[in-house]
Amino acid sequence: GQSLEQPSEVTAVEGAIVQINCTYQTSGFYGLSWYQQHDGGAPTFLSYNALDGLEETGRFSSFLSRSDSYGYLLLQELQMKDSASYFCAVSLSGGYQKVTFGTGTKLQVIP
Amino acid sequence: NAGVTQTPKFQVLKTGQSMTLQCAQDMNHNSMYWYRQDPGMGLRLIYYSASEGTTDKGEVPNGYNVSRLNKREFSLRLESAAPSQTSVYFCASSEGPAIPEAFFGQGTRLTVV
Repeated sequence: GQSLEQPSEVTAVEGAIVQINCTYQTSGFYGLSWYQQHDGGAPTFLSYNALDGLEETGRFSSFLSRSDSYGYLLLQELQMKDSASYFCAVSLSGGYQKVTFGTGTKLQVIP
Repeated sequence: NAGVTQTPKFQVLKTGQSMTLQCAQDMNHNSMYWYRQDPGMGLRLIYYSASEGTTDKGEVPNGYNVSRLNKREFSLRLESAAPSQTSVYFCASSEGPAIPEAFFGQGTRLTVV
């Protein structure tokens, strides 16, 4: 089967840096992506890693280690609007061909 | 550019009633998905369609059926609604199977009483 684990809640201060971790166990792993969801809204795509290393997109960066089945999302210069839930998701290939989501990390940014 | 459109946005059903949730995308995507989201459970895949003409079960398919009507439309049917199906339902699409960037509709908030 597949499983993804991420912390349920994280609190960080405005202007600071926060890291949200994700570990996974899957068959047919293809890549790891991250989504943001504000309360009452739809998930929106943030980033994707298929290869080991760091991908940077503005204030957000995402990291993947395939050998450790581990990734993280790094948010820098936190803003109040970053308060949201963040989901990691694995893309599966071969016979699976779908995207499976973790349970999400609720980030609260405080002044 | 509408993206992914779901209807209805809100629905209240009585136990045992049936209904169909509609989803359409205008991005010419091959793959479409139905997820449900419950508090503390994240997004769970109900059914997906890797390409037009194919559908497959996801993690929680019991009590649901789907139809990939054409490349644009993917509907989800509840034949006999149960309170356990109270949830927020999201439809999503992506260019192809396992393509990581999925686009989501705004969700349908379903309550079964």
